[in-house]
Amino acid sequence: AQSVTQLGSHVSVSEGALVLLRCNYSSSVPPYLFWYVQYPNQGLQLLLKYTSAATLVKGINGFEAEFKKSETSFHLTKPSAHMRDAAEYFCAVSAMDTGRRALTFGSGTRLQVQP
Amino acid sequence: DAGVTQSPTHLIKTRGQQVTLRCSPISGHKSVSWYQQVLGQGPQFIFQYYEKEERGRGNFPDRFSARQFPNYSSELNVNALLLGDSALYLCASTGQMDEQFFGPGTRLTVL
Repeated sequence: AQSVTQLGSHVSVSEGALVLLRCNYSSSVPPYLFWYVQYPNQGLQLLLKYTSAATLVKGINGFEAEFKKSETSFHLTKPSAHMRDAAEYFCAVSAMDTGRRALTFGSGTRLQVQP
Repeated sequence: DAGVTQSPTHLIKTRGQQVTLRCSPISGHKSVSWYQQVLGQGPQFIFQYYEKEERGRGNFPDRFSARQFPNYSSELNVNALLLGDSALYLCASTGQMDEQFFGPGTRLTVL
């Protein structure tokens, strides 16, 4: 079984400031890890994924995340926030478990960007 | 290329009714998953299908069922609707690296 904990349901940053969204996972087998973004009244868009290759993963829109096995973390960062980054962000984990690769999501972090 | 498509966009039903939601995956993708997202929460896994076979099921009652067709499209059925079934229902198709691409969702309101 696997689980995800996202620390901080709301994060507020100023435009141009560093964005840091925290995600810790639990998995009994090597995980795949994902970050998704959801804009109001829309589906989820894949930002980036970790699938056991490089531990530093670069995604779309300037986001990146680092897989740290020792800390069971996969935090999402962006050096400089833009107003268009305001959205809900979800961390998710999947692991091969009886043949399925269902995603287990965290509860989400709402990012606000102040002008 | 077209992404994952879902229909209808919105749906209003009353308690006890039945509903069918539809999903077409990205061309070439053979696996479809369904998720329920209640307002203010992360999506919860309901089903995954691969080449018409059920590969996994989440912790949902038997009122929820699904199927996948030879063209890999899928339907999610929910019987005997409850108020608590009100949610955004998301469909995802799976790429070659097991990443899942989501459709825009169907917003179901149960009155």
